[in-house]
Amino acid sequence: QKEVEQDPGPLSVPEGAIVSLNCTYSNSAFQYFMWYRQYSRKGPELLMYTYSSGNKEDGRFTAQVDKSSKYISLFIRDSQPSDSATYLCAMDSGFQKLVFGTGTRLLVSP
Amino acid sequence: GAVVSQHPSRVICKSGTSVKIECRSLDFQATTMFWYRQFPKQSLMLMATSNEGSKATYEQGVEKDKFLINHASLTLSTLTVTSAHPEDSSFYICSASSAGETYEQYFGPGTRLTVT
Repeated sequence: QKEVEQDPGPLSVPEGAIVSLNCTYSNSAFQYFMWYRQYSRKGPELLMYTYSSGNKEDGRFTAQVDKSSKYISLFIRDSQPSDSATYLCAMDSGFQKLVFGTGTRLLVSP
Repeated sequence: GAVVSQHPSRVICKSGTSVKIECRSLDFQATTMFWYRQFPKQSLMLMATSNEGSKATYEQGVEKDKFLINHASLTLSTLTVTSAHPEDSSFYICSASSAGETYEQYFGPGTRLTVT
């Protein structure tokens, strides 16, 4: 079993839709939870991070962490074609050793 | 945000040769740099962690004699793939973090290595 599971997609939505991206994990030692966006042939860009359980909002993005269920989510409101990318979840137990999901490819059509 | 560059962005080399990839933090001092490898449709896999002036710490299964990492300054780390083979073809990405930031790693744009 992988430490971090993420549906690879692709997830196709129309412009303006609310997007929900999710990851599950098995290692209860993870304390830091991050979402990265990666465009084709580029390095990942940090979007959101959350420490422990809870919600965090930044503009159109909301990150949620439920440690009791070992489940994290990223919501994107009013999705735009420019949001089309691969979204990677990543987790860290505090030693800067990030464990990534495989990434979910998101396609937002105009 | 902080900027990390990588050079070259893509390289093609012949089997048996060595290739050096550079990772630079352009506007901050990177006390720690990380090297990842990403195969198509797979997640980023951490290869090694290096602190400035120290030997790199390699993840299980990564050959330290094949993937030589040098972190000689606070703004530069290099990864040398020695005696490259076609199975080493991959996307290599570095990231960097500064002292005190336990969660935020700034990623470079990656280097596409193709070994023929």
